[in-house]
Amino acid sequence: EPEVTQTPSHQVTQMGQEVILRCVPISNHLYFYWYRQILGQKVEFLVSFYNNEISEKSEIFDDQFSVERPDGSNFTLKIRSTKLEDSAMYFCASSGRNRNTEAFFGQGTRLTVV
Amino acid sequence: RKEVEQDPGPFNVPEGATVAFNCTYSNSASQSFFWYRQDCRKEPKLLMSVYSSGNEDGRFTAQLNRASQYISLLIRDSKLSDSATYLCVVIVTGNQFYFGTGTSLTVIP
Repeated sequence: EPEVTQTPSHQVTQMGQEVILRCVPISNHLYFYWYRQILGQKVEFLVSFYNNEISEKSEIFDDQFSVERPDGSNFTLKIRSTKLEDSAMYFCASSGRNRNTEAFFGQGTRLTVV
Repeated sequence: RKEVEQDPGPFNVPEGATVAFNCTYSNSASQSFFWYRQDCRKEPKLLMSVYSSGNEDGRFTAQLNRASQYISLLIRDSKLSDSATYLCVVIVTGNQFYFGTGTSLTVIP
């Protein structure tokens, strides 16, 4: 069964450093997302990406964040100058050829900023 | 105002019990509705989509009430493996998924 894969599974970084979280969405999907979940809190939308550009983003997704689809398979989230409060689980998701269809999530990258 | 609201629980039920969760959404223009399940420290996994006519998948039944703007999930004959957090998810417009805070279920032997 096709799945979304994310690397690394756990990333520890020092405050102020840049991190890149990587995702390989399901191959025939067209919509890609990043979500985050701070421990004990709900899943929060960060950004959606379609047709090689950001289609929607939340208030959380400020200038510190950027996304890229550098080739036909990878989808990355870059966090510049990380802060302690960026510590969370980051989930990548993808959904199919039509809008409003269900999304499938990767296993997540646990980011710890120290 | 929250887009999606759920009773966080926790719900503690014995094996074999029937349990129901409700979720309300604020935007009447909401277009698609889903229930996801999330195990501790794992990713959300799609449980089922919710259709206007209601739909059933084995022990799970989902209902949508557009007039009252709520979604429900009924689990019959609860199993220990049903213990998880159940997330109500709504797409309003475009392709942004709004998650509820989740309802915690523990099925007790």
